[in-house]
Amino acid sequence: AQRVTQPEKLLSVFKGAPVELKCNYSYSGSPELFWYVQYSRQRLQLLLRHISRESIKGFTADLNKGETSFHLKKPFAQEEDSAMYYCALGIYNFNKFYFGSGTKLNVKP
Amino acid sequence: DTEVTQTPKHLVMGMTNKKSLKCEQHMGHRAMYWYKQKAKKPPELMFVYSYEKLSINESVPSRFSPECPNSSLLNLHLHALQPEDSALYLCASSQETGELFFGEGSRLTVL
Repeated sequence: AQRVTQPEKLLSVFKGAPVELKCNYSYSGSPELFWYVQYSRQRLQLLLRHISRESIKGFTADLNKGETSFHLKKPFAQEEDSAMYYCALGIYNFNKFYFGSGTKLNVKP
Repeated sequence: DTEVTQTPKHLVMGMTNKKSLKCEQHMGHRAMYWYKQKAKKPPELMFVYSYEKLSINESVPSRFSPECPNSSLLNLHLHALQPEDSALYLCASSQETGELFFGEGSRLTVL
């Protein structure tokens, strides 16, 4: 069975502080990991995916197969980063994408 | 056009009604999805269509009936729903090895 775990429901930080949103996965095959974000009153959208190894809006995420983790990091949080963040596992053979329970990030001024 | 469009945005229906949710994309994506999202919960996969054929049904009750008339359209037919089926229904599309593009969702209330 595959599972995506996001242990924090809510993460509050002050503007300018570093932020790390945790994601652990369980999958016996080769995983494709994603971070999706949902800003207030907007649709769910892709933030970044592990295979691209990009930095989007200052966020990065590294796939650690040994720890089965894909934590999302940003060195200096901004108020506009406040949103709901979902970690997702893609299983392409079956066109399946599974989402973690989500972490609400609140960046305080 | 890089959007997934869902209609209606809001739907209220009784338990004996028959209604449909519609989804449209013109990005040439060959995979289309229905997800269900309850309040403060993550999206839950319901159905996946690949090349207009149903490839995944995540043990969804038969009162939900998906249909893919063509490569751009995806419908979800609703019949004899229960109040606990009230949720946000999200449509998404993707290339087979790409990101999911989501619609804004159809918020369903079953009375």
